[in-house]
Amino acid sequence: EVQLVQSGAEVKKPGESLKISCKGSGYSFTSYWIGWVRQMPGKGLEWMGIIYPGDSDTRYSPSFQGQVTISADKSISTAYLQWSSLKASDTAMYYCARLRTGVDYWGQGTLVTVSS
Amino acid sequence: EIVMTQSPATLSVSPGERATLSCRASQSVSSNLAWYQQKPGQAPRLLIYGASTRATGIPARFSGSGSGTEFTLTISSLQSEDFAVYYCQQYNNWLLFTFGPGTKVDIK
Repeated sequence: EVQLVQSGAEVKKPGESLKISCKGSGYSFTSYWIGWVRQMPGKGLEWMGIIYPGDSDTRYSPSFQGQVTISADKSISTAYLQWSSLKASDTAMYYCARLRTGVDYWGQGTLVTVSS
Repeated sequence: EIVMTQSPATLSVSPGERATLSCRASQSVSSNLAWYQQKPGQAPRLLIYGASTRATGIPARFSGSGSGTEFTLTISSLQSEDFAVYYCQQYNNWLLFTFGPGTKVDIK
C-alpha cells in the first residue's frame, strides 16, 4: 500500500527555522516526483515545488522560490520542506504529494503555526 | 504560468440533483487536467485525471470532460458525502502544476 506519512504539527516563533518531513512507503520512492502544497487557513491549494528523489532535481513555483528549500534523502525514502526564518504568514497546512498523472497520493498534512 | 479559473465559486445543490462544475485554463493544457475533492479537515482526494479518467475507487456518478482550455466535472446525482470543495489542477506544465481556486458544493 502506497503511503506518504508526514511529520507532526509544529508551533514556532517568527524567525525560527523548521524542517518538516514526508516519508514514502509501499512504492519505489526514487521513481516518482514528490510535490509540496500549501493551504493557508480557509484558503485553496497552492503548488510550492517538486523534487525527484532519484537525483534530487528540484523545481520551485515562482511564488516560493527563495522562500523555502525542498530536499530529499532517498536512503530513507523521505522528502523535506524547510524554512530558514519563519514568518507569521507561513502559518498553514502543508501537504506532500506523489506525482503521476496529477497527484495520486497525498500525505495527511502537517500544520505549521507561526506565532509570537 | 498557466492560470486556472473555476466557476461558480459556490454551487448550492439538493441531494439527488446533478452538479456541473467548470474549470478553465489560460492556455491549452491538452488533457492534462485533474479534479480533486477536499472535505474539511482532510487531504484532497484524486477524482479524475487525464480530464476524463476516474481514479481508482471513484464512483461512476463522477465524470469529467473537456480538453484544451475548457473542462467540466459532473456529479450525476449528489450524495450527502459529495458536499465538499472541488479543485481542478493542470499538470501539462510538469514543472509548475497549478490549481484552480476551487468550487464549494453545498446543500441547497
